[in-house]
Amino acid sequence: QVQLQESGPGLVKPSETLSLTCAVSGYSISSGYYWGWIRQPPGKGLEWIGSIYHSGSTYYNPSLKSRVTISVDTSKNQFSLKLSSVTAADTAVYYCARWRSGIAVDWGQGTLVTVSS
Amino acid sequence: SYVLTQPPSVSVAPGQTARITCGGNNIGSKSVHWYQQKPGQAPVLVVYDDSDRPSGIPERFSGSNSGNTATLTISRVEAGDEADYYCQVWDSSSDHRGVFGTGTKVTVL
Repeated sequence: QVQLQESGPGLVKPSETLSLTCAVSGYSISSGYYWGWIRQPPGKGLEWIGSIYHSGSTYYNPSLKSRVTISVDTSKNQFSLKLSSVTAADTAVYYCARWRSGIAVDWGQGTLVTVSS
Repeated sequence: SYVLTQPPSVSVAPGQTARITCGGNNIGSKSVHWYQQKPGQAPVLVVYDDSDRPSGIPERFSGSNSGNTATLTISRVEAGDEADYYCQVWDSSSDHRGVFGTGTKVTVL
């Protein structure tokens, strides 16, 4: 069974870069599938951030594209999210997920990131 | 950009049927997936490709999709079905992107 676990700072200062990592167990990222990030501001709905294939090809939400980078490290079986120039509007629970044919089939438990000075 | 619209809330008595709609332009031409999210938990896939269920999801959960509306139907509603529900599509029409619906809170009376 595939398991995903997010990790990273829970507090980021405005204008800085948010960095999160998703460790994958039970499946080798290099074997295939897309891997991606989704976020949920407190009390609000889900927002797709972006996805990456094991080969490195990426798709990003156009509304975040200028600030987002998703990368994969197959040697560590993990993938990462970087979101630059953060503001309070980027405060959210961030989920990593495995995607199959456009479906988020497996999710991490989520990690809350607060943007505040 | 592609937009999916859901009613903010649906209320249903135990044992009755809840229907949650997801509206989108010609959504019938896309594959629609549904997720259930309980408070403090990550979403869980309950229906994919319009009407298929992952293993472990009760048959009470079913889906349909036609025209401009997709629907998630929960039959014989139980107290444990109280949750937020989100529809989702993968939009490949212009650029490739995931799109989630606005979400519906299902309250069991």
